[in-house]
Amino acid sequence: NAGVTQTPKFRILKIGQSMTLQCTQDMNHNYMYWYRQDPGMGLKLIYYSVGAGITDKGEVPNGYNVSRSTTEDFPLRLELAAPSQTSVYFCASRKTTSGGNEQFFGPGTRLTVL
Amino acid sequence: TQLLEQSPQFLSIQEGENLTVYCNSSSVFSSLQWYRQEPGEGPVLLVTVVTGGEVKKLKRLTFQFGDARKDSSLHITAAQPGDTGLYLCAGAGGSQGNLIFGKGTKLSVKP
Repeated sequence: NAGVTQTPKFRILKIGQSMTLQCTQDMNHNYMYWYRQDPGMGLKLIYYSVGAGITDKGEVPNGYNVSRSTTEDFPLRLELAAPSQTSVYFCASRKTTSGGNEQFFGPGTRLTVL
Repeated sequence: TQLLEQSPQFLSIQEGENLTVYCNSSSVFSSLQWYRQEPGEGPVLLVTVVTGGEVKKLKRLTFQFGDARKDSSLHITAAQPGDTGLYLCAGAGGSQGNLIFGKGTKLSVKP
């Protein structure tokens, strides 16, 4: 299994441009997540999904959109990039289990908005 | 709003020293996890603690969950340069079990 894969690894955007961060998992996990990580700030939840066709907002959803048409894919869309969206973005997934919530993370996408 | 306070934020020690990282909250969590993250990579799970008072050992790492399930600690014995990284605690809460992350402790172990 490849686990959670993310593309691209790095991207530089100009203010106002749009882009989609791709995330794919091959573990047949129901739950998928998008986080952003800023220096010294830990991970903040942007959006999450509990299964195909179902998405919900996390702590910091403004400026982002998601979709979940399949179990495997959970793309994150930035419509009008702003400098405040400069960050490292991580996608994660987990299967539904009791007694623990282990999440498996992708390698991240480092995004710079200039 | 559930918050997790992690301390210290930075820690720089010599090889062979012991250290403890703390994770505290005023909220109760159904479980708490510790992750380790290396530069340029995503976090990787080290351990999950579920029961109040639980202690888990992973080689030189000892994890403890507070009796009230509001706090946790990570103790490393005889730290090695390979322990260098960002340590994140994360508590599971809410109806969907989403994780709340602390801000992390950046550990540097010098040879």
